Amino acid sequence: GQQLNQSPQSMFIQEGEDVSMNCTSSSIFNTWLWYKQDPGEGPVLLIALYKAGELTSNGRLTAQFGITRKDSFLNISASIPSDVGIYFCAGLRDTGNQFYFGTGTSLTVIP
Amino acid sequence: NAGVTQTPKFRILKIGQSMTLQCTQDMNHNYMYWYRQDPGMGLKLIYYSVGAGITDKGEVPNGYNVSRSTTEDFPLRLELAAPSQTSVYFCASRLPQGLGAFFGQGTRLTVV
Repeated sequence: GQQLNQSPQSMFIQEGEDVSMNCTSSSIFNTWLWYKQDPGEGPVLLIALYKAGELTSNGRLTAQFGITRKDSFLNISASIPSDVGIYFCAGLRDTGNQFYFGTGTSLTVIP
Repeated sequence: NAGVTQTPKFRILKIGQSMTLQCTQDMNHNYMYWYRQDPGMGLKLIYYSVGAGITDKGEVPNGYNVSRSTTEDFPLRLELAAPSQTSVYFCASRLPQGLGAFFGQGTRLTVV
């Protein structure tokens, strides 16, 4: 199956720091999505990207759709304790109906 | 709106038993999905459906069956449970024209 690689695998940061994570694929996607999953919960959609080069913000979160369409980036500014969780990227091709999920980045924010 | 509702939340099965994981959504979404998530891993697609009466295999369909008789419901059936099916199962739905999928809260299944 399609593999989306996320890095880093895990992060431990101080409250107030900025966070960057990325997602890469060997294939092109036409939609990139970023999800957050809290323990014991289902993933919740944070940001959706539909166009190469697109930069979209949602509060302290900013995501970018890579120019090559094979990658995407998520930044979180001024992290707070409730940012703790696992962040997943997901890609969707126009020709298919399947979302392919990344391997996840686990974020821990130290107060 | 309740969104995507999954039942049960937890279940322990013995090897060889069968069960159905229920998923229903009240958003009138055409597309519905079943994923499994193993510890520390991402989500793997089991089956999906683009509308009532239509189902397709995902990446890891073996050992599972689905049906889609209505727009709202998309049950996942395990016929002969195996320890390898111990996982957390998520159902999701979305509209065809975009936005990401909305997920249920998951069913934690253990096969012993």
